[in-house]
Amino acid sequence: AQSVTQLGSHVSVSEGALVLLRCNYSSSVPPYLFWYVQYPNQGLQLLLKYTSAATLVKGINGFEAEFKKSETSFHLTKPSAHMSDAAEYFCAVSGQTGANNLFFGTGTRLTVIP
Amino acid sequence: DTEVTQTPKHLVMGMTNKKSLKCEQHMGHRAMYWYKQKAKKPPELMFVYSYEKLSINESVPSRFSPECPNSSLLNLHLHALQPEDSALYLCASSQDTVVSRYEQYFGPGTRLTVT
Repeated sequence: AQSVTQLGSHVSVSEGALVLLRCNYSSSVPPYLFWYVQYPNQGLQLLLKYTSAATLVKGINGFEAEFKKSETSFHLTKPSAHMSDAAEYFCAVSGQTGANNLFFGTGTRLTVIP
Repeated sequence: DTEVTQTPKHLVMGMTNKKSLKCEQHMGHRAMYWYKQKAKKPPELMFVYSYEKLSINESVPSRFSPECPNSSLLNLHLHALQPEDSALYLCASSQDTVVSRYEQYFGPGTRLTVT
């Protein structure tokens, strides 16, 4: 079974500061991992995905994430936060085999302080 | 065009009503999904259609009835809902059901309130 745990339901950073959103996964098979962003009253948008190619994945809007098997982690980072980054961020996992289900973490709300 | 559209944006219905949610995509995607998202919670998968056939039903109560009339359209028929069914209902589509290859594109959702 696959699952993800997002540490910190709410993260606040100053504008221009480093953004770090944490995600740890549990999977009985090699995982595929995803980060999605959800702005208020909108659907989810894919930021980036890990599918067993490069361990450092670059996504849209300056975000990137590193897959660390030894730590079972897939943390999301951005060097410099913008006000427009304020949103809810979801980490998700799916196994490489079988069903195409995405299992989402509980989400982290990012607040950017001017 | 990478857009998934959902109508209506908001829906208020009584427990005895019958209503439908509609989802449409014109990206040629062959997989479509319904998710339910309660406030401050992650989306939870309800149904998956692959090539217009229901491939996954995550033990959803029968008061929710999905329908895929064609490859571009996905409906969710609602009947005799309960107040706890109030949530944001998200539709998504992907080129195919191989999640590793094809990203899921999400619509903006329908916010449903059951009174």
